[in-house]
Amino acid sequence: GEEVAQTPKHLVRGEGQKAKLYCAPIKGHSYVFWYQQVLKNEFKFLISFQNENVFDETGMPKERFSAKCLPNSPCSLEIQATKLEDSAVYFCASSPGSTGVDTDTQYFGPGTRLTVL
Amino acid sequence: GIQVEQSPPDLILQEGANSTLRCNFSDSVNNLQWFHQNPWGQLINLFYIPSGTKQNGRLSATTVATERYSLLYISSSQTTDSGVYFCAVEVSTQGGSEKLVFGKGTKLTVNP
Repeated sequence: GEEVAQTPKHLVRGEGQKAKLYCAPIKGHSYVFWYQQVLKNEFKFLISFQNENVFDETGMPKERFSAKCLPNSPCSLEIQATKLEDSAVYFCASSPGSTGVDTDTQYFGPGTRLTVL
Repeated sequence: GIQVEQSPPDLILQEGANSTLRCNFSDSVNNLQWFHQNPWGQLINLFYIPSGTKQNGRLSATTVATERYSLLYISSSQTTDSGVYFCAVEVSTQGGSEKLVFGKGTKLTVNP
């Protein structure tokens, strides 16, 4: 598609439950990024993919967070045993990554708001 | 890691006024993007501007990479310009990938 799509828009989980978020990057884009926005103005990088390969996962709390980008499927971000502090908006972004002008521009989806009660 | 500072943190304008938002960064960057996050939370790309000046309608941006700052100009502001404006710089990570590091934003309120 022409836009990054994210589902669901909102997700409510009780503490300790699992949460799974989905992202469909712009068709033809090679890179996918996940960011977490907390407190309305703080963004944290979580993980990036080059096609289906993890490119950089230095921002991921690995004990509870995992992510995948499989061929012909939306990318996913999964949080096992959610905690109150995981409440945030999770944004997915994609970038073309090929040669040309502005190939590094990251285009963001609408986000998924996760509320952990 | 790199520090990205935006100023002012809050800005209130009357419709029709002009404004300048600033983004300072502490180290060399590969690229820089400006975003507008509207009141519904959507992040809208405004500019991809590693250096130089770009204009798009009432908005323009200038990045002086050698002096590590970027400016976003909004002219003849409208109520629909309200929201939070983020500057994000692209930095290379150890593994060779790039990630965006965001500033904390400037919250703009345009009153009718």
